[in-house]
Amino acid sequence: GAVVSQHPSWVICKSGTSVKIECRSLDFQATTMFWYRQFPKQSLMLMATSNEGSKATYEQGVEKDKFLINHASLTLSTLTVTSAHPEDSSFYICSARILAVPYEQYFGPGTRLTVT
Amino acid sequence: TQLLEQSPQFLSIQEGENLTVYCNSSSVFSSLQWYRQEPGEGPVLLVTVVTGGEVKKLKRLTFQFGDARKDSSLHITAAQPGDTGLYLCAGALGNTPLVFGKGTRLSVIA
Repeated sequence: GAVVSQHPSWVICKSGTSVKIECRSLDFQATTMFWYRQFPKQSLMLMATSNEGSKATYEQGVEKDKFLINHASLTLSTLTVTSAHPEDSSFYICSARILAVPYEQYFGPGTRLTVT
Repeated sequence: TQLLEQSPQFLSIQEGENLTVYCNSSSVFSSLQWYRQEPGEGPVLLVTVVTGGEVKKLKRLTFQFGDARKDSSLHITAAQPGDTGLYLCAGALGNTPLVFGKGTRLSVIA
């Protein structure tokens, strides 16, 4: 299957600082990438859809000024958590979609963010 | 809102037993994807089913897509401790974001 990498795999930051998470599709081009958040023992919660060369589409309730998404190339999307607070601590996972039927999505390994 | 009902949410079985996980929806999906996720890792794609009535086998795992493309099942034969994890079904409707079920947390006890 296709490979998606995510970096860093874990990060600890202080409250008020910003953290950038990178998501790369390694062996395919992805015009569309997705960012998810996962709480313990729960399913994935879609935060936003990242479109190459255009603005991201955010799900209801997700602050676009807090979670900045940039999809500058066909293989890279970044999520920046700005002015992080302890409640932003979570497991963040990106996903890249192959733009051909049946539109399979491949996930990165996730980033564990802890805000102290 | 499209919903994908996944059941059961939790399943704890003994090694060697069989099990089935179900995903049901009132919506018709163009495809349905099954993932397995282990703690601290991202979901790994197991299979994609596209055609109504389709059956796919992956070793001891059998995936089925309903004739109407509204439901799917995952059957595991002779479960092993290595099958332990969170199983997620996700329905696709064209190029819109996947609709995820709530997941089935499987624990296989040796």
